Amino acid sequence: RKEVEQDPGPFNVPEGATVAFNCTYSNSASQSFFWYRQDCRKEPKLLMSVYSSGNEDGRFTAQLNRASQYISLLIRDSKLSDSATYLCVVNEEAAGNKLTFGGGTRVLVKP
Amino acid sequence: GAVVSQHPSWVICKSGTSVKIECRSLDFQATTMFWYRQFPKQSLMLMATSNEGSKATYEQGVEKDKFLINHASLTLSTLTVTSAHPEDSSFYICSADTLATNSYEQYFGPGTRLTVT
Repeated sequence: RKEVEQDPGPFNVPEGATVAFNCTYSNSASQSFFWYRQDCRKEPKLLMSVYSSGNEDGRFTAQLNRASQYISLLIRDSKLSDSATYLCVVNEEAAGNKLTFGGGTRVLVKP
Repeated sequence: GAVVSQHPSWVICKSGTSVKIECRSLDFQATTMFWYRQFPKQSLMLMATSNEGSKATYEQGVEKDKFLINHASLTLSTLTVTSAHPEDSSFYICSADTLATNSYEQYFGPGTRLTVT
């Protein structure tokens, strides 16, 4: 089983619609979680940190479910510019602040 | 703030040669620097973790004699791909973190695209 698993997609989303996808992690001791966004041939950029039960930043909402070991990302009112690959990232503090990346979920927002 | 640069941004080299990639934290001192590799349509895979002045810690399956890491200062780490082969062609990304903030955020460089012919 992979340490961090994501549905690779692609999720084809009409502009203005809402899309949500999950990420599961295997290490129950993990404490810190992030969503990164990566555009084609670019480096990942931090979208949101998820430290507790979840948080919201504008059109983006991240939720953490520790019991089931998954985090989710919801994007409301999708924009064309939201098209990207969204990487679920888990921080393994016990391993020296090592980040483990999921395979990414590709989102394509279409007009 | 928290800008990380990489040089070069892309490089083409011949099989058997060595390539050095630099990673610099421009406006902060990096406690730790990380090197990742990303193949097409795959996610980032951590290669090694380095702290200034000490030997890098390599992930399982990463050859330390092939991927030489030098972390000479709190703002510079280098990755040298020795005797490069076409299968080493990949996107190499570094990141850095700092104890100056209370978060576990890592700051990523823009990446170096290596093509070995």
